[in-house]
Amino acid sequence: AQSVTQPDIHITVSEGASLELRCNYSYGATPYLFWYVQSPGQGLQLLLKYFSGDTLVQGIKGFEAEFKRSQSSFNLRKPSVHWSDAAEYFCAVGRNKLVFGAGTILRVKS
Amino acid sequence: SQTIHQWPATLVQPVGSPLSLECTVEGTSNPNLYWYRQAAGRGLQLLFYSVGIGQISSEVPQNLSASRPQDRQFILSSKKLLLSDSGFYLCAWGYGGATNEQYFGPGTRLTVT
Repeated sequence: AQSVTQPDIHITVSEGASLELRCNYSYGATPYLFWYVQSPGQGLQLLLKYFSGDTLVQGIKGFEAEFKRSQSSFNLRKPSVHWSDAAEYFCAVGRNKLVFGAGTILRVKS
Repeated sequence: SQTIHQWPATLVQPVGSPLSLECTVEGTSNPNLYWYRQAAGRGLQLLFYSVGIGQISSEVPQNLSASRPQDRQFILSSKKLLLSDSGFYLCAWGYGGATNEQYFGPGTRLTVT
């Protein structure tokens, strides 16, 4: 069965510091992987996606993610966090139907 | 460009009352459509999805139903709401086919009292 694990429920980073959010997945075939961001009370916005090819994918807002098949991971990174990045981040896997992780809440301290 | 609308934005309903949430998509044809529920502190639970008019797949047996009367319209309904139906309901659309990133609407906050 498909599943996604986001081990960190909350993460706090200082503004300007680097960020890495972890995502591990279980999927029977080559996965399609996604990262979404959600601000409080809002819908989800797609940050980036991986279907095939280069394992390092670039997204919007300066985010990137690296697909590591051997580790079944798709971690999200950003070199320098801005206060406006504070939000909840969801990793998802699937094709016609997506399975979402439980989310990681990012807090940014100034 | 494509846009997705949901209404209402917020809703407070008593237990036992009916429910109708609407979602419409503009700027694309024959989209896949999805209803999700997000409970506080939890991820997204897929409730229903549709690949065409009148075609509805239910992921979780429960008190809710969905309909797709038009190509770009997706409706979530209930005849009698339960307290456990409270949550944040999100509609999404996708192109389907070989890839399937999904694009989400702004959501409806439902509180059942």
